[in-house]
Amino acid sequence: DVKVTQSSRYLVKRTGEKVFLECVQDMDHENMFWYRQDPGLGLRLIYFSYDVKMKEKGDIPEGYSVSREKKERFSLILESASTNQTSMYLCASKGNQPQHFGDGTRLSIL
Amino acid sequence: AQSVTQLGSHVSVSEGALVLLRCNYSSSVPPYLFWYVQYPNQGLQLLLKYTSAATLVKGINGFEAEFKKSETSFHLTKPSAHMSDAAEYFCAVTHSGTYKYIFGTGTRLKVLA
Repeated sequence: DVKVTQSSRYLVKRTGEKVFLECVQDMDHENMFWYRQDPGLGLRLIYFSYDVKMKEKGDIPEGYSVSREKKERFSLILESASTNQTSMYLCASKGNQPQHFGDGTRLSIL
Repeated sequence: AQSVTQLGSHVSVSEGALVLLRCNYSSSVPPYLFWYVQYPNQGLQLLLKYTSAATLVKGINGFEAEFKKSETSFHLTKPSAHMSDAAEYFCAVTHSGTYKYIFGTGTRLKVLA
């Protein structure tokens, strides 16, 4: 079975902090994704990566950056956290179909 | 461009009744379609997928979905609801030429005793 592991299930940070969300997959997948999930809005794609050091913006990249130094690890970075970034963050990976998801990180920015 | 519409943000059924969750898609190329389930405070778990093989797709936990090209639909069904089916369900579409999935806004299923 594919395993996608997100480093934290719950995280509380303060406005202005730099926040790192980590995601690791164990299936040698090329593609990895970061989404945020908000009630009534479904899943919105923040960034994705199709290879090491390669990344593309998704639909809502503002205020975020990503890093993929190794194939198995994809990090989401909130450069200066703001309260409107309080959300559920989901990481996914994909070889062929489908995407496989981690358990999510519920991030609160105070 | 692709899109997904899930009709009904909340659906309630009685235990033992038929579950029907609706998904309509728009795609100018042959689509791949998915249903995912999300239990509270968890990630998304794949229920089933359509990737251009059989149009009637069987998934886990007794769910199935039928791809109907003429109706651009991929509705999710289960003959008899169980209390453990209470969750949020997401339909998603993609195609072979892209990495991106387009997700619907979700349908929250409530099962009444």
